[in-house]
Amino acid sequence: QQQVKQSPQSLIVQKGGISIINCAYENTAFDYFPWYQQFPGKGPALLIAIRPDVSEKKEGRFTISFNKSAKQFSLHIMDSQPGDSATYFCAAQPGGYNKLIFGAGTRLAVHP
Amino acid sequence: GAVVSQHPSWVICKSGTSVKIECRSLDFQATTMFWYRQFPKQSLMLMATSNEGSKATYEQGVEKDKFLINHASLTLSTLTVTSAHPEDSSFYICSAFSSDTGELFFGEGSRLTVL
Repeated sequence: QQQVKQSPQSLIVQKGGISIINCAYENTAFDYFPWYQQFPGKGPALLIAIRPDVSEKKEGRFTISFNKSAKQFSLHIMDSQPGDSATYFCAAQPGGYNKLIFGAGTRLAVHP
Repeated sequence: GAVVSQHPSWVICKSGTSVKIECRSLDFQATTMFWYRQFPKQSLMLMATSNEGSKATYEQGVEKDKFLINHASLTLSTLTVTSAHPEDSSFYICSAFSSDTGELFFGEGSRLTVL
């Protein structure tokens, strides 16, 4: 059972464009939603995270939009750069627990 | 920021042997660590939750006798793949929870290849 659904599976964006990755969840017990960036052969690194009490969080070029009623959240990468080319994972964490449930991942390629 | 170190970063072993992977939190104490497995071009699948001083909690479908987890101190958890077979070849990633910051930090991963 896939608890966190992520789309698209892959994404190609031109340099300077906006990259948008979407995730949806079913379990209303989730209360923490991080996004991770992973380069080949490396462990994932926390990019940005949000809790359900806010609808948007922005850090530099990265923005999370959160829709609690729709149980959806998305990552927007503004002014995408070739260095942003990586695999991005959304995740969700149940309240009271520390473990993360990951989405399937999105392979982003930013072309110069 | 906090650092989680994994060792070895890659290992090749013969079928039937056992391999131990270490996960250390370098500048914080981690009462809880997690072990993930990742196949090529796939997501991270949680294998088990490792709690300091107690038995690990395994996810459904993960063989506890196959993947031995020990969390003997607040800064070290180990994963031992026993009697490894080629199908155990994968990228194993640990993460450690910092109670100080409430964040999860991931290691760089360990690539296991079983011949």
